[in-house]
Amino acid sequence: AQKITQTQPGMFVQEKEAVTLDCTYDTSDQSYGLFWYKQPSSGEMIFLIYQGSYDEQNATEGRYSLNFQKARKSANLVISASQLGDSAMYFCAMSYITQGGSEKLVFGKGTKLTVNP
Amino acid sequence: DGGITQSPKYLFRKEGQNVTLSCEQNLNHDAMYWYRQDPGQGLRLIYYSQIVNDFQKGDIAEGYSVSREKKESFPLTVTSAQKNPTAFYLCASSIKGPKVRGGELFFGEGSRLTVL
Repeated sequence: AQKITQTQPGMFVQEKEAVTLDCTYDTSDQSYGLFWYKQPSSGEMIFLIYQGSYDEQNATEGRYSLNFQKARKSANLVISASQLGDSAMYFCAMSYITQGGSEKLVFGKGTKLTVNP
Repeated sequence: DGGITQSPKYLFRKEGQNVTLSCEQNLNHDAMYWYRQDPGQGLRLIYYSQIVNDFQKGDIAEGYSVSREKKESFPLTVTSAQKNPTAFYLCASSIKGPKVRGGELFFGEGSRLTVL
């Protein structure tokens, strides 16, 4: 069964430093997608970055990069030059296609990031 | 502006009452989803719909019902059969299939339901 594991319930980082949020996934599918979402205290989910299972290069979006290690089944999020506004919950997720042909997304339990001034 | 609108943002109900959460999108997306989030937990899928007049149960569908009569709308009813309905509910939509930006989900701002 598809599963996402985020082992860090909470992380702290100093403003302007880089931080890595861990994510490992479990699937026997060859085709899947990996996502990171940010959830501020207001509750909305904000899409950050996407990596396809066949993408050879690591995805980057501004200060966000995804360190994709397929053999290890890991998809860690790297945030460079942390800002106070980065303080939030971060969720790793994986999309897959069901036997019925529907696309589903499974989420990890999240990591709470706190950026200190 | 295009997006997903959930209402109400906060809702209080007495135990045993059914309650319906609204979700409307103007993104012209085929697929819509309902997730439940409990404190310290990730999102769990309740129901999803890939096309109008069709929907499938997710991982925790018991005690919930949905309808998809229009492409834009996917209301969720929390019935009295749901044993622990107090939670944060998130509605999402996506272009059908994973081909465009990986089929990322666009989320509404959520509805927080408290059962007294």
